[in-house]
Amino acid sequence: GAGVSQSPRYKVAKRGQDVALRCDPISGHVSLFWYQQALGQGPEFLTYFQNEAQLDKSGLPSDRFFAERPEGSVSTLKIQRTQQEDSAVYLCASSLVSDVRLAGEGSTGELFFGEGSRLTVL
Amino acid sequence: KNQVEQSPQSLIILEGKNCTLQCNYTVSPFSNLRWYKQDTGRGPVSLTIMTFSENTKSNGRYTATLDADTKQSSLHITASQLSDSASYICVVSGRGSQGNLIFGKGTKLSVKP
Repeated sequence: GAGVSQSPRYKVAKRGQDVALRCDPISGHVSLFWYQQALGQGPEFLTYFQNEAQLDKSGLPSDRFFAERPEGSVSTLKIQRTQQEDSAVYLCASSLVSDVRLAGEGSTGELFFGEGSRLTVL
Repeated sequence: KNQVEQSPQSLIILEGKNCTLQCNYTVSPFSNLRWYKQDTGRGPVSLTIMTFSENTKSNGRYTATLDADTKQSSLHITASQLSDSASYICVVSGRGSQGNLIFGKGTKLSVKP
């Protein structure tokens, strides 16, 4: 596709339910990031993949959060036993390069974001 | 602790006017700084990316400046349009983990007719 696609765009879950959020990155993009954005706040890092390898999951708030990218393309963020504090927009971003720290001259390292999945836990 | 602070938190200006948004950071060592525009209910869209060696970068009516010595950046918007109403987020990348993209809370800009 032309951009990063996320589904569902909106999800309402009852407390205790499990949810799965999907991210389709731009084809060929190596790096994939998940972020959590609370209302009125900036995105907060959750986890990062380089191809199928999850290289950093230090931002996952608890062991109820799990992310995978088994074939190095589509990624799924799963939240088990959802709680009200999990209500947020979950953003996915992808980058063509393997190292986004090299952004700028000669290497864009640009991050392309999806529209996000808004999760509301009742 | 690596931090990115943006000011003002919110701003209202009249269409056609200029404005400047500020970003101060303590991320060290520093790799690059980005400005994103986020429309309500949408994902962030990149405006500029600057490394420590770049002082200014323009993208149409948007001009970003960077002073790596004082760890300050600004985003100047010229001749604002109604479509500029959005949140503007400053993001700083350190040289640590790839996940170490530190996001500011953003400045919410409202352009009124």
